Amino acid sequence: EAGVTQSPTHLIKTRGQQATLRCSPISGHTSVYWYQQALGLGLQFLLWYDEGEERNRGNFPPRFSGRQFPNYSSELNVNALELEDSALYLCASSLYQGERIQYFGAGTRLSVL
Amino acid sequence: SQKIEQNSEALNIQEGKTATLTCNYTNYSPAYLQWYRQDPGRGPVFLLLIRENEKEKRKERLKVTFDTTLKQSLFHITASQPADSATYLCALPFSGGYNKLIFGAGTRLAVHP
Repeated sequence: EAGVTQSPTHLIKTRGQQATLRCSPISGHTSVYWYQQALGLGLQFLLWYDEGEERNRGNFPPRFSGRQFPNYSSELNVNALELEDSALYLCASSLYQGERIQYFGAGTRLSVL
Repeated sequence: SQKIEQNSEALNIQEGKTATLTCNYTNYSPAYLQWYRQDPGRGPVFLLLIRENEKEKRKERLKVTFDTTLKQSLFHITASQPADSATYLCALPFSGGYNKLIFGAGTRLAVHP
């Protein structure tokens, strides 16, 4: 069974540009979560999608947005990139019901120059 | 508000010894608690889940305890190996009514030969 896949692995952008990160969940999982992890820091919750809808978002500005497609894959968009957006962006998926064990992808390393 | 605390200092132990990591939480009575392992630059990997009515859960060399009175979970790795070196995160369901997890900042474990 395929795990959570994220693309691209690495992304280099300049300040002010837009970045698009993609995530494919485990088959059968309808919930997708996005986290930001700056170097040496903990996971910061960004967004949670389920059944195509945004269910909750963390304390991030509106330039962080995303969507979930009918096949449950998801996209995270970061507009007007700032230097401090440089981080590892992790996607996780889970079943909607139950104890919500999260399965993570390998992440996208975003570098903003 | 809900708070999770893990020892921010790295834990250094000798190979073969038992590593014990602590997760404390406040202002909350979670129905379960999860532990994850994260290697540098990778996504966390689920290890164990323990429910509020379970005192202890084991999986191979791993043992988790859950003391709802002390509001604390202990994570033990017996007969530790250098390959166990990683950051270990505890996670609890968010108390605010949304079905998402809140992750602790993690404790880095280094097992020396």
